[in-house]
Amino acid sequence: ETGVTQSPTHLIKTRGQQVTLRCSSQSGHNTVSWYQQALGQGPQFIFQYYREEENGRGNFPPRFSGLQFPNYSSELNVNALELDDSALYLCASSPLREGFSYEQYFGPGTRLTVT
Amino acid sequence: KQEVTQIPAALSVPEGENLVLNCSFTDSAIYNLQWFRQDPGKGLTSLLLIQSSQREQTSGRLNASLDKSSGRSTLYIAASQPGDSATYLCAVKAAGNKLTFGGGTRVLVKP
Repeated sequence: ETGVTQSPTHLIKTRGQQVTLRCSSQSGHNTVSWYQQALGQGPQFIFQYYREEENGRGNFPPRFSGLQFPNYSSELNVNALELDDSALYLCASSPLREGFSYEQYFGPGTRLTVT
Repeated sequence: KQEVTQIPAALSVPEGENLVLNCSFTDSAIYNLQWFRQDPGKGLTSLLLIQSSQREQTSGRLNASLDKSSGRSTLYIAASQPGDSATYLCAVKAAGNKLTFGGGTRVLVKP
C-alpha cells in the first residue's frame, strides 16, 4: 500500500508568481485535505476535496484554489504569491463515508519559499 | 470557533523519564482527536486516534486519554528515549471534516 506522496519537495518562487503543488492520496482514500504550516506553528486548514468537489474551506483567500482528479490525486494552486505564503504545505488523505470519522494520513509536505 | 492549545510549548527531560503532553480544546462537539509526531522539516506521523466515544487509546509506550466534557487530552510517553525528541501536535476533528491543530509541544529527551 502506497502512502501519501507530494511533489515537489522544495520550491522557491518570487513574489507575484503562481505555484502548483501536487498530492497523491493513499490507495482507497477518496478525500484530500490541504494544510499550511508556518514555521513554529501548527498546520492551518486550507480546504478539502471529496469526489472532485470542494468540501470545506478554511480562512484562506480565493487565490488559493485546488483540484481533485478522478484518481483522487489533488493539486493546490496559489496565485499572486506573497512573502507570507512561505510555509510547509501538507496534504492529507482519508476515506470519507457518512457516519464514520477516519484517521487522516499526511504526506511529507512541500516546502515553499517566496522571495 | 474551535481553538486548540498545547502547553507547554517546549519540554526537556532526561532519558528514561515519562513524558506528559497536554492538549485542550474549546468546543467539546468533536468527532475525534488525533496525536501526531513531527520531526524538523518533515510531515506528520499519526500516533494515536481517539474517537469521541472513547476514553483512551494505547500503542506501545504511548497512551492518550480524552475527556470531552472538560475539553482535554493527555499524551503519555513512558520511559522516554532520545529518539522521542520531536514536536508533538494534537488535532481535533469537528463539523466540516477539518482538523484544527494546536501549536505543538517541542520535546527534547537528553541522553
